[in-house]
Amino acid sequence: GAVVSQHPSRVICKSGTSVKIECRSLDFQATTMFWYRQFPKQSLMLMATSNEGSKATYEQGVEKDKFLINHASLTLSTLTVTSAHPEDSSFYICSARDKRLAGTRHLYEQYFGPGTRLTVT
Amino acid sequence: AQKITQTQPGMFVQEKEAVTLDCTYDTSDPSYGLFWYKQPSSGEMIFLIYQGSYDQQNATEGRYSLNFQKARKSANLVISASQLGDSAMYFCAILSGGYQKVTFGTGTKLQVIP
Repeated sequence: GAVVSQHPSRVICKSGTSVKIECRSLDFQATTMFWYRQFPKQSLMLMATSNEGSKATYEQGVEKDKFLINHASLTLSTLTVTSAHPEDSSFYICSARDKRLAGTRHLYEQYFGPGTRLTVT
Repeated sequence: AQKITQTQPGMFVQEKEAVTLDCTYDTSDPSYGLFWYKQPSSGEMIFLIYQGSYDQQNATEGRYSLNFQKARKSANLVISASQLGDSAMYFCAILSGGYQKVTFGTGTKLQVIP
């Protein structure tokens, strides 16, 4: 199967500190990785799209300097929330597209990680 | 811009019965894709089914089928023979913008009653 992991699953940090969240595709190479945030009982909002070796494309309204995305390899992307504030508390979910599916009818499927719950106190 | 509308915030269905979850969409892209995902209380997003805008036949994946009506811009999910484990949030999503951007609807909470 196609498994995506996220670490940590839960993190509590103090206001003003930075937090790094990792997203890994465990058994496949990811052409593209996506980062979403989800507020309680709400839908997923796309934050940014990243391709390995290139800069992330951020959605309108998402601060690039606050949410740093690094896509270091075909299996790892990181999201760093810099100078976190209580309003950044949310559920952050990453997803990835499997490079092996290119050219098939499944090429647009995204495999989601289990999510990271961030609480900023 | 693209938009997904799920008008049913919550639905109940009897175990073993079929249920339809509504989804309408709006996009100016000529090519797009439609997804349905399931999100249990644990939080992970589980892929259920995908329909391409040019697919001639409605997509089916086991007990899930997508009733795609392109002219009406609707992509309803039909779950047959509901099971207790189907209780979850269900999100409809559209893939557009050159197949790069996914926009999610607000979700429908499905509860299966024994």
